[in-house]
Amino acid sequence: SYVLTQPPSVSVAPGQTARITCGGNNIGSKSVHWYQQKPGQAPVLVVYDDSDRPSGIPDRFSGSNSGNTATLTISRVEAGDEADYYCQVWDSSSDHVVFGGGTKLTVL
Amino acid sequence: QVQLVESGGGVVQPGKSLRLSCAASGFTFSSYGIHWVRQAPGKGLEWVAIISFDGSNKYYEDSVKGRFTISRDNSKNTLYLQMNSLRVEDTAVYYCAKEAANEDWYFDLWGRGTLVTVSS
Repeated sequence: SYVLTQPPSVSVAPGQTARITCGGNNIGSKSVHWYQQKPGQAPVLVVYDDSDRPSGIPDRFSGSNSGNTATLTISRVEAGDEADYYCQVWDSSSDHVVFGGGTKLTVL
Repeated sequence: QVQLVESGGGVVQPGKSLRLSCAASGFTFSSYGIHWVRQAPGKGLEWVAIISFDGSNKYYEDSVKGRFTISRDNSKNTLYLQMNSLRVEDTAVYYCAKEAANEDWYFDLWGRGTLVTVSS
């Protein structure tokens, strides 16, 4: 089955840029989606189809995908961005949705 | 308003059954695939199952295949998850999640979740 690998944690100071990676075999050939989840809340879609943003998501959130790594980039990080972030793909070979293990973003 | 509301969670003994429901409102339920996603306490998101917009296609995560059944009633705007032979490791918050568009395979709307605890 397809596996997505994320770093367990990323720390960044306010105002700096956070980059959260999502590794997978030839992930560049898939569409990658990213969710933000704050404690006690349901996940929220922040980036879809590698780099598109849903309405209402600040343009500080961006995404890229190439080769074996997809990246969620959060610019000008704010305290309110502190959350768990999950990448997700559809694995057509198994007809399964796959989530990465999640990355906890800490704003120092 | 546009929302999904799960219900039916609770405490159940190992080996028993439980049926979850997910009531949809504010959008054309019958036009979208809907998924169940779960999250064990303190753990990450785990996909469980998907049912297509018309119920004709269903797929399951391997650990629940043969034990869980996803279904929908488009006349009632409701999704179901019948969970049989429950195991301790099925303990989780169960979310229903709507595809952004049919077969777009990502989720633009989530419910708040319902907690299932499997314990003796």
